[in-house]
Amino acid sequence: ETGVTQSPTHLIKTRGQQVTLRCSSQSGHNTVSWYQQALGQGPQFIFQYYREEENGRGNFPPRFSGLQFPNYSSELNVNALELDDSALYLCASSLLENTEAFFGQGTRLTVV
Amino acid sequence: SQQGEEDPQALSIQEGENATMNCSYKTSINNLQWYRQNSGRGLVHLILIRSNEREKHSGRLRVTLDTSKKSSSLLITASRAADTASYFCATVFSNTGKLIFGQGTTLQVKP
Repeated sequence: ETGVTQSPTHLIKTRGQQVTLRCSSQSGHNTVSWYQQALGQGPQFIFQYYREEENGRGNFPPRFSGLQFPNYSSELNVNALELDDSALYLCASSLLENTEAFFGQGTRLTVV
Repeated sequence: SQQGEEDPQALSIQEGENATMNCSYKTSINNLQWYRQNSGRGLVHLILIRSNEREKHSGRLRVTLDTSKKSSSLLITASRAADTASYFCATVFSNTGKLIFGQGTTLQVKP
């Protein structure tokens, strides 16, 4: 157990809908990152939040957005869902100066 | 896009044998990390090696890093069936914690 929890574990949405995924970071960690992992691929960096501010973004369109709250929990929002958004979404928390990341179990999103 | 490539993509060995996985990357790094993933679940951190280190050990794991060749290897000695998983290398360019993953190696250890 890493202490990072994600909800929900599985989700089915229809193309065009919006989805919110949630992550509770490990205690004491002030940085949270989100990754998208398509089947058979390595995780791809979406963005990172540090002390409630976005601190870097990968090659994802603006319809992927996020929030980090004062208690360091986080949300990933995806608007106008596309079929290709179907993937495992992983949240990871870390201390900025120690880049070992602790991952949650992920949310499996299926877009139909 | 993926930073690196891992080799082999798949590896099947008998319990007790050693497993070696390789990772190559393209640009200068701050550190390189290896993670394990069981059946599409969350990733578990195995080991971190900094750019000024050449070798690191953790239990049955041995990681090497060659920055001149931009490559790393992960050796798992005396493998067990429980080591069956996908293994990913991930590079970090600065002290920001942003991980750039390779495609992974799927390891099967047969009892």
